[in-house]
Amino acid sequence: AQSVTQLDSQVPVFEEAPVELRCNYSSSVSVYLFWYVQYPNQGLQLLLKYLSGSTLVKGINGFEAEFNKSQTSFHLRKPSVHISDTAEYFCAVTSSGNTGKLIFGQGTTLQVKP
Amino acid sequence: EAGVVQSPRYKIIEKKQPVAFWCNPISGHNTLYWYLQNLGQGPELLIRYENEEAVDDSQLPKDRFSAERLKGVDSTLKIQPAELGDSAVYLCASSLRGGDNEQFFGPGTRLTVL
Repeated sequence: AQSVTQLDSQVPVFEEAPVELRCNYSSSVSVYLFWYVQYPNQGLQLLLKYLSGSTLVKGINGFEAEFNKSQTSFHLRKPSVHISDTAEYFCAVTSSGNTGKLIFGQGTTLQVKP
Repeated sequence: EAGVVQSPRYKIIEKKQPVAFWCNPISGHNTLYWYLQNLGQGPELLIRYENEEAVDDSQLPKDRFSAERLKGVDSTLKIQPAELGDSAVYLCASSLRGGDNEQFFGPGTRLTVL
């Protein structure tokens, strides 16, 4: 069975500061990894995904994430956040042999303060 | 291109009443998903369709929940009878197919059971 743990439920940060949202996963097979963002009263939007190849993945809105197989982590980073980045962020995993069942973490609320 | 459409956006009912949610996926997307999102949690898969076939409904509480996707396009999720614990957001998503394909999410239906 697979699982995802997002280590921080809330991350407060000041505008223009860097941020890292942490994600660890558990799986006995090869995985695909995803980060989604959810703005209030909206559905989830894909930020980035890791399928294979380079372990550093760049996504939309200036976000990037690094896949670390030895530490089973997929942390999300942004060098300088904006007020508009305030949202809920979800890490998700699916096995590379699976046909799309995503297992989500509990979510991390990013609160960007002026 | 229109995104995933869900209706209604909000629904308030009394316990033991029936309720239905409707989803229209992105045109051409063969795979459709229904997720349950409890407050403060990540989405959990209820059922996945490939065209009109339910290929994964292992997490769907079949005593009270049912779903259909008769023509392989739009889908309906029903609860009968609703319980207090069913209060949550019900998300619909679609993708071209399963696997590593990006899932596009609708805005969700927020259900409140009184």
